Amino acid sequence: KAGVTQTPRYLIKTRGQQVTLSCSPISGHRSVSWYQQTPGQGLQFLFEYFSETQRNKGNFPGRFSGRQFSNSRSEMNVSTLELGDSALYLCASSLGNTQTEKLFFGSGTQLSVL
Amino acid sequence: GENVEQHPSTLSVQEGDSAVIKCTYSDSASNYFPWYKQELGKRPQLIIDIRSNVGEKKDQRIAVTLNKTAKHFSLHITETQPEDSAVYFCAARTHAGGTSYGKLTFGQGTILTVHP
Repeated sequence: KAGVTQTPRYLIKTRGQQVTLSCSPISGHRSVSWYQQTPGQGLQFLFEYFSETQRNKGNFPGRFSGRQFSNSRSEMNVSTLELGDSALYLCASSLGNTQTEKLFFGSGTQLSVL
Repeated sequence: GENVEQHPSTLSVQEGDSAVIKCTYSDSASNYFPWYKQELGKRPQLIIDIRSNVGEKKDQRIAVTLNKTAKHFSLHITETQPEDSAVYFCAARTHAGGTSYGKLTFGQGTILTVHP
């Protein structure tokens, strides 16, 4: 089975631009969660999608948004980029049926905002 | 919402020593506590988890303990090896009840270095 795939691996943007990141979950997984990873801050939860619906949301501003398609692939969008948005963005997939499920992470997209 | 505090932020041990990482959580409704290991440049991977109806769980050199009353849980690694060097994250998932699905909140991470 193919693992969780995130594209692109690296992105360089300038302040004020917008960016879209993509995540393809493991086949059969219907839940996709997004996390922001920065040094010292751990993994900050952004949001989780299940069957095309946002099921949970973290405490990020409205500039961060996401969606999920019928094939469970998910995209995350950040508008009006700020320097502080520079981070590694990880997505994770799971079946989404029970709260004790293992998350499978992608390799992440490293976003640099200049 | 749930808040997870993790300590220490860095931990350095000699090969063969034990390592302990501690986490506290704020929401007494949390019922699932996984630990993820992230090696340098790689993706986080689950190494062990514990549910709220269990006090301790072991898997070879790794064990996790849970104290629901004090709302804290710990990761114990015995006979550490250089390949145990990584960032370790604890997490807690709040039981949302009904058909709702609680979110998984992570701690800030612990950088473990095992010196040969």
